Amino acid sequence: EVQLVVSGGGLVQPGRSLRLSCKASGFAFDDYSMHWVRQAPGKGLEWVSGISWNTDDIDYADSVKGRFTISRDNGKNSLYLQMNSLRPEDTALYYCAKGPLTTVTSSWFAPWGQGTLVTVSS
Amino acid sequence: DIVMTQSPDSLAVSLGERATINCKSSQNVLYSSSNKNYLAWYQQKPGQPPKLLFTWASTRESGVPDRFSGSGSGTDFTLTISSLQAEDVAVYYCQQYYSMPLTFGGGTKVEIK
Repeated sequence: EVQLVVSGGGLVQPGRSLRLSCKASGFAFDDYSMHWVRQAPGKGLEWVSGISWNTDDIDYADSVKGRFTISRDNGKNSLYLQMNSLRPEDTALYYCAKGPLTTVTSSWFAPWGQGTLVTVSS
Repeated sequence: DIVMTQSPDSLAVSLGERATINCKSSQNVLYSSSNKNYLAWYQQKPGQPPKLLFTWASTRESGVPDRFSGSGSGTDFTLTISSLQAEDVAVYYCQQYYSMPLTFGGGTKVEIK
């Protein structure tokens, strides 16, 4: 069974940093792109970032470019999101999700992890 | 960026009746060389992550009941639930994967009338 377990969320002050992790199991992690998608409380879905199987292709939403860094460790079947200079508008449930291909482009998302809540507030 | 616009924002349908959700993209998401529409649909039930229902606008994922259907091409797409069941109460999202950044519609909430 494919599983994505997300961790690392919490309450953080504006301007501070947080690192999210996503541990994958049940599939060949290094054969697929991986993504972060977020959902602000009561709002819709926003793609945040994606990374190809070999890290050659990485992309970000404009809203997080320059502040967030996606990475992966295929040896540990893990995906990460380093979030710096956090803003109140970054408050959201952060999901990790598997892409269908090795590349970031042309990606839909399945399955999704349960998500971890990041709250940015003073 | 491709903007995805869903309508309506919400709808209430009686059990057993048809529910229709629309999704319009600001640019064509039909890739001419493959004749495929780069459009996915998701279902999100309360307290759960989204679940993929359709890819390529109309290819149903394994395990999705056949009362769900996806249709459309180019810029206009529809998700139809032919006979609404209680377990279909959810928010439904479309997503384009034609170009980066990957973008979602705002969601349509389906409730029981």
